Amino acid sequence: AQSVTQLDSHVSVSEGTPVLLRCNYSSSYSPSLFWYVQHPNKGLQLLLKYTSAATLVKGINGFEAEFKKSETSFHLTKPSAHMSDAAEYFCVAPWPSGGSYIPTFGRGTSLIVHP
Amino acid sequence: GAGVSQSPSNKVTEKGKDVELRCDPISGHTALYWYRQRLGQGLEFLIYFQGNSAPDKSGLPSDRFSAERTGESVSTLTIQRTQQEDSAVYLCASSFVPTRQGYTGELFFGEGSRLTVL
Repeated sequence: AQSVTQLDSHVSVSEGTPVLLRCNYSSSYSPSLFWYVQHPNKGLQLLLKYTSAATLVKGINGFEAEFKKSETSFHLTKPSAHMSDAAEYFCVAPWPSGGSYIPTFGRGTSLIVHP
Repeated sequence: GAGVSQSPSNKVTEKGKDVELRCDPISGHTALYWYRQRLGQGLEFLIYFQGNSAPDKSGLPSDRFSAERTGESVSTLTIQRTQQEDSAVYLCASSFVPTRQGYTGELFFGEGSRLTVL
C-alpha cells in the first residue's frame, strides 16, 4: 500500500501565477507529513513539515501546505511562482515497517516555471 | 562537518565489480537511511539503521546489496557484482531517532553518490 500519492508527475506554470502540487496520504493515524525540494544537481532540502500543530504550515521560499484530515490531503501551494522554484518536489509520510516508521517518498512532482 | 557527508560523489565501475559507498551522518543522529534514486524517478527506500542495528532491510533489492553501520556513525552500503540496473544516485539521510508515536523528525540528506555501471 502506498503511503503518499502525488497526483501529478509534472506541473507547468507561468512565472507569477499560483502553484498547486497535490499530495494525498494513506494512514490510520494522525501523521507527520513533509514536503522536500530537490533542485537540479543539488541535495534534498526540507520545505516544510506538519506535526499535529497548526493545520496550515508555512515553509521556506513562500511555500505553504494545508493538512486536511477529512480529505487525507497535504497539498503544497505558493501564491506566485518564481523561476527559481523550478525543481522536483516530494511529499513524504512515515510508513510503519519492521516496528519502525520509514519516511516514504511520493514519486515526485516536477515543477516547470515558464517566463 | 556539520552536514551528512557521502563518498565517493561519483563512481564509474564495470559490470561485475563490487562497490562501497560511504555515509557519515550528522553527529548525534541515531537514525540513518539509505535511498536509491534512479534517473527521473523518486526515492526508493533501501535500509534503515537505528544505532548500529538495522530493524528494516526490506528495501534491499537483492542479496547483492548489504549495509553496515559502525556504532552511531559511519555507514557503508556495499553492492556486489554490480549490474547496469544498479546505476543510480544513492542517497543517505540521518535524523533523530523516531519517536514511539511516529516519525516526526526532519531528514538531513547528503549530496548522494552517483553510481554508473558500464
